Amino acid sequence: QSALTQPPSASGSPGQSVTISCTGTSSDVGGYNYVSWYQQHPGKAPKLMIYEVSKRPSGVPDRFSGSKSGNTASLTVSGLQAEDEADYYCSSYAGSTIEVFGGGTKLTVL
Amino acid sequence: QITLKESGPTLVKPTQTLTLTCTFSGFSLSTSGVGVGWIRQPPGKALEWLALIYWDDDKRYSPSLKSRLTITKDTSKNQVVLTMTNMDPVDTATYYCAHRIAAFDYWGQGTLVTVSS
Repeated sequence: QSALTQPPSASGSPGQSVTISCTGTSSDVGGYNYVSWYQQHPGKAPKLMIYEVSKRPSGVPDRFSGSKSGNTASLTVSGLQAEDEADYYCSSYAGSTIEVFGGGTKLTVL
Repeated sequence: QITLKESGPTLVKPTQTLTLTCTFSGFSLSTSGVGVGWIRQPPGKALEWLALIYWDDDKRYSPSLKSRLTITKDTSKNQVVLTMTNMDPVDTATYYCAHRIAAFDYWGQGTLVTVSS
């Protein structure tokens, strides 16, 4: 099972919006509505930000939103804030394989 | 609240078997739909899913590592154990356990395992 494809980096200025893509196949992203996004600050454990493509866990700001089209999922962070600077990983259910992660995207707030 | 904590050796030698324990609280692994998984992250690299065990003892493994992994649970002790055989320096990573229903929604702090002679 190959990792999902994410851009290695993304950036935006405070207040702007940025979108991170996550491309898979019909066996993972395209085949199920079980895409998740995780935020990871340096030296910390990942934190779930989005699950089931577009749902936010309690406590996650509504500045974070998720969507999917075909084999590509996207995470949009609106109204960028300094604390949003982190690594972001997508993941997808992949049938019997259960889970496949993306390569990660480093988000820089300029 | 839900908490998880990984424990095990910080250093293992090549060819040895790694045994990691995830001790959790705030949920029961006998509740329908609940799972506990293991995910690792080599230094400076991406997350990699390893294994998952469900409340009904259904076990799933990463295809690339399946021959080396075993996951078990002890519901009475609130623990999940992962063993990985034939360790190699490329297995050096921070190993996380995480609670799962629709996604990995609660994570342990992680434990760094170094493989070196």
